[in-house]
Amino acid sequence: EPEVTQTPSHQVTQMGQEVILRCVPISNHLYFYWYRQILGQKVEFLVSFYNNEISEKSEIFDDQFSVERPDGSNFTLKIRSTKLEDSAMYFCASSEIQGNSPLHFGNGTRLTVT
Amino acid sequence: DQQVKQNSPSLSVQEGRISILNCDYTNSMFDYFLWYKKYPAEGPTFLISISSIKDKNEDGRFTVFLNKSAKHLSLHIVPSQPGDSAVYFCAAKGGTSYGKLTFGQGTILTVHP
Repeated sequence: EPEVTQTPSHQVTQMGQEVILRCVPISNHLYFYWYRQILGQKVEFLVSFYNNEISEKSEIFDDQFSVERPDGSNFTLKIRSTKLEDSAMYFCASSEIQGNSPLHFGNGTRLTVT
Repeated sequence: DQQVKQNSPSLSVQEGRISILNCDYTNSMFDYFLWYKKYPAEGPTFLISISSIKDKNEDGRFTVFLNKSAKHLSLHIVPSQPGDSAVYFCAAKGGTSYGKLTFGQGTILTVHP
């Protein structure tokens, strides 16, 4: 069964550094998303992306965050200057359509900011 | 954000019996609801969904019930198996925000052999 893949599985970085989290969505999916889960908290929405532009973003997704689809297969989340509170599991997801279509999630990247 | 709530942090069930996981929501604009299962160190895995035009959807051992007037949904797993032990999340989307899922806190299900 096709799946969303994320790399790396674990990323450790120092505060103030830039990180790029990578995702390969399911190949025939058109909508892409990033979510995150801080330890002990809910899974929360960051951003959705369609047709090479952001379609929706949450209040969390401030100017420190950006997303890109640099080629036909990858979807990336960049955090420009990481803060301690950015430590979380980051999940990439994709869906075929945006309406009543389930999101399929990758296994996540654990980001630890020290 | 308390729009989706799972009030039971954990549930313990004997193998072969029914597991019932509950979820409440407050946003009347939600019109599509999903259940995900999550194992440690993995991402949420989609289980089953239901549109607000229905009140029941079945897929094998999994059935989701939606009570719109009560703003309540539940997931029934029959019969429960030890491999079902995981964290279960309900999620909802709808209104003008179709790309955004709002998740509950999750319920840890343990199925004892």
